[in-house]
Amino acid sequence: AQSVTQPDIHITVSEGASLELRCNYSYGATPYLFWYVQSPGQGLQLLLKYFSGDTLVQGIKGFEAEFKRSQSSFNLRKPSVHWSDAAEYFCAVVGNEKLTFGTGTRLTIIP
Amino acid sequence: KAGVTQTPRYLIKTRGQQVTLSCSPISGHRSVSWYQQTPGQGLQFLFEYFSETQRNKGNFPGRFSGRQFSNSRSEMNVSTLELGDSALYLCASSLGRQYQETQYFGPGTRLLVL
Repeated sequence: AQSVTQPDIHITVSEGASLELRCNYSYGATPYLFWYVQSPGQGLQLLLKYFSGDTLVQGIKGFEAEFKRSQSSFNLRKPSVHWSDAAEYFCAVVGNEKLTFGTGTRLTIIP
Repeated sequence: KAGVTQTPRYLIKTRGQQVTLSCSPISGHRSVSWYQQTPGQGLQFLFEYFSETQRNKGNFPGRFSGRQFSNSRSEMNVSTLELGDSALYLCASSLGRQYQETQYFGPGTRLLVL
């Protein structure tokens, strides 16, 4: 069965600093991968997705992610975070006809 | 295009009662999936409906059920509520099956069971 690991439960970064959120997946075939963001009390918003093709994927709000098959990773990056990026971030993989989420990484931004 | 809508947004029930949650997908979307989100278990897949048929199901007891109507709107029912059912219930819609298409999420229904 597929699975997703987000090793960092909570990350704190300063506003303007760069960000990388880690995601490792386990799935036998070529995965479909997603990053979603959830603000407090809200649903999930899609940041970006990888289905195939270019392994560097651009998303909304200045985020990007790189698919690395050799490392089974799909890390999310942003060169300069803004206070409005504070939220919970979820990585997800499609397998066995369903979407499986990681446990999430809570991002705190300090001024 | 309007997004996914869920009603009600908040709900308080007592143990033993039953509850029905509603989800209206994005216009043209045929698949609706339901998820339960709790601090302890995270986001867990409940089931997916496509063209009025349940296509996939997560590991939840039979107290959790759903259905989809011909206009793709979906309802989820939980019978004999337990305290552990307190959660945010999220609905997501997609054009095709969830494993083939991007899912778009609604704001959720927060259920509190007392």
